[in-house]
Amino acid sequence: DAGVTQTPRHEVAEKGQTIILKCEPVSGHNDLFWYRQTKIQGLELLSYFRSKSLMEDGGAFKDRFKAEMLNSSFSTLKIQPTEPKDSAVYLCASSLEGSTEVFFGKGTRLTVV
Amino acid sequence: TQTVSQSDAHVTVFEGDSVELRCNYSYGGSIYLSWYIQHHGRGLQFLLKYYSGNPVVQGVNGFEAEFSKSDSSFHLRKASVHWSDSAVYFCAASWGYQNFYFGKGTSLTVIP
Repeated sequence: DAGVTQTPRHEVAEKGQTIILKCEPVSGHNDLFWYRQTKIQGLELLSYFRSKSLMEDGGAFKDRFKAEMLNSSFSTLKIQPTEPKDSAVYLCASSLEGSTEVFFGKGTRLTVV
Repeated sequence: TQTVSQSDAHVTVFEGDSVELRCNYSYGGSIYLSWYIQHHGRGLQFLLKYYSGNPVVQGVNGFEAEFSKSDSSFHLRKASVHWSDSAVYFCAASWGYQNFYFGKGTSLTVIP
């Protein structure tokens, strides 16, 4: 299945560590999104790329969160340094430019202790 | 400010009942609306979308949604739910081919 692939599925980090989450979008998609999902806040946008260019980064997350898209088929989200409040599911999603259908990965569940 | 709100955090119904999950959005202009479903422990999956034309759109598994400009709404409905419809449902909106804004989700529990 050529959906959105996220690795790892689970990550446990100690406070202060640096972690890198990975995402492979659907082949051919040029929009890529990173979201953080928690029960309280729901889905919060972290970063949005179009054709590898950063279009939007969630302002509140700028200081410790950095998403990169080095090529059209791979993106990373770095959290440095991690804090316990970063514990959440991180979702990567992609779509074709102009499409309203967004394809989501299964997410990475991050636990920071 | 562009926002999407889902007024009900939890909805519980019995199997065979009809259900309506509410979604309202702020901000006018050209809008793309969609619904996603997330089963426990899984990623979000696309259900249906609206941009223009017939305000009632059909999705998978008997779901439909109706766009109302006057009410700024895009409610999701199903005439007869099945226990497997138990999941969290997210409404999303996009203005001008840009970022998607999601509601906080409605958790639907269907009692067999």
